[in-house]
Amino acid sequence: GIQVEQSPPDLILQEGANSTLRCNFSDSVNNLQWFHQNPWGQLINLFYIPSGTKQNGRLSATTVATERYSLLYISSSQTTDSGVYFCRGGSQGNLIFGKGTKLSVKP
Amino acid sequence: DVKVTQSSRYLVKRTGEKVFLECVQDMDHENMFWYRQDPGLGLRLIYFSYDVKMKEKGDIPEGYSVSREKKERFSLILESASTNQTSMYLCASSPPYSRLSSGNTIYFGEGSWLTVV
Repeated sequence: GIQVEQSPPDLILQEGANSTLRCNFSDSVNNLQWFHQNPWGQLINLFYIPSGTKQNGRLSATTVATERYSLLYISSSQTTDSGVYFCRGGSQGNLIFGKGTKLSVKP
Repeated sequence: DVKVTQSSRYLVKRTGEKVFLECVQDMDHENMFWYRQDPGLGLRLIYFSYDVKMKEKGDIPEGYSVSREKKERFSLILESASTNQTSMYLCASSPPYSRLSSGNTIYFGEGSWLTVV
């Protein structure tokens, strides 16, 4: 089945810094989503982005489906951005989560 | 091996029926979640629970209720099923943030495909 690899597994930032999280797929995907698991454990949908680029405030995401990867950009990070970021992708009926990137933003 | 088990993989129910979807986790996790997955909409949170007998509404709680009488079990209830509730339902559990690590995050069940006719 499809493999989903996220990098880096752990990331520590100083408040105000920018970062890029990456999600690679072993096969083509037509369904991709980014999530943030906040410190209370809740999984929050950030972007549904099977292709192209979307922006929401300080966050943006780009998926290049032909090259089987997606990027999540966080600009001017804040302590509330801490948590674990997941990507999930595949084809309908076979959607796989990556293992996540744990982000810690220090004040 | 850690496990989140959803009791039914495939169900077909009639409009107006009461539907129970059961989820059990064996990891002693405090947090449990119910999501639904729809084409073009991705994964959306219905309800979550961070402790026994505690529950919080997610993004789309209308038409659903939940029950968490025991730590390991989180039930999703459709009081009166409707055709727009035809979907794939996904249960998940996770430890509290204080115990999160890159290899210990959120765990999902295999999903329950519900068709309401």
